[in-house]
Amino acid sequence: AQSVTQLGSHVSVSEGALVLLRCNYSSSVPPYLFWYVQYPNQGLQLLLKYTSAATLVKGINGFEAEFKKSETSFHLTKPSAHMSDAAEYFCAVWGSGGGADGLTFGKGTHLIIQP
Amino acid sequence: NAGVTQTPKFQVLKTGQSMTLQCAQDMNHEYMSWYRQDPGMGLRLIHYSVGAGITDQGEVPNGYNVSRSTTEDFPLRLLSAAPSQTSVYFCASSDYSGNTIYFGEGSWLTVV
Repeated sequence: AQSVTQLGSHVSVSEGALVLLRCNYSSSVPPYLFWYVQYPNQGLQLLLKYTSAATLVKGINGFEAEFKKSETSFHLTKPSAHMSDAAEYFCAVWGSGGGADGLTFGKGTHLIIQP
Repeated sequence: NAGVTQTPKFQVLKTGQSMTLQCAQDMNHEYMSWYRQDPGMGLRLIHYSVGAGITDQGEVPNGYNVSRSTTEDFPLRLLSAAPSQTSVYFCASSDYSGNTIYFGEGSWLTVV
């Protein structure tokens, strides 16, 4: 079974600083990879997804993520944090086998922005 | 979240009551699934379906039933609600490749 590990359940950065949220996955073949954002008491919003077209994926709100197969990583970055980025972020992987491997989520990282 | 309709958005149940969370999609997707979200646990798969008449268990299926009589609908049933089922529930719909995935807006369920 595939798994997704998000390092750091809470990450705190200052406004204007670099945001780096880490995600590692376990999969034997290059999967689809996703980052979702969830604001308090709201649903999931897709930030970006990797589908093998390019290793550097640009998403909404200035976020991007780089797929590194050798490191099985898909870290999310943003050059300059904004107060509105405070939210919960989930990394997810769609495995090649479908079925119960369909979409596996990490446990989430709560991003805190310090003024 | 265009295409996936999930109801109700909020519900309070008493222990032992039953209820059904509804999920419908209009994109003719084969794959539908239910997740529950709990603090510090991310989203965990409850049940999934790869087509009408076909369902299977995910990571946390106990206490939940599903059926898939049509391509469009995938209801989740709580037969006898327990406080441990207090959670946020999300329905998802996708093509079988996983290239396009849509989520419902979520259902906040409290069992007292």
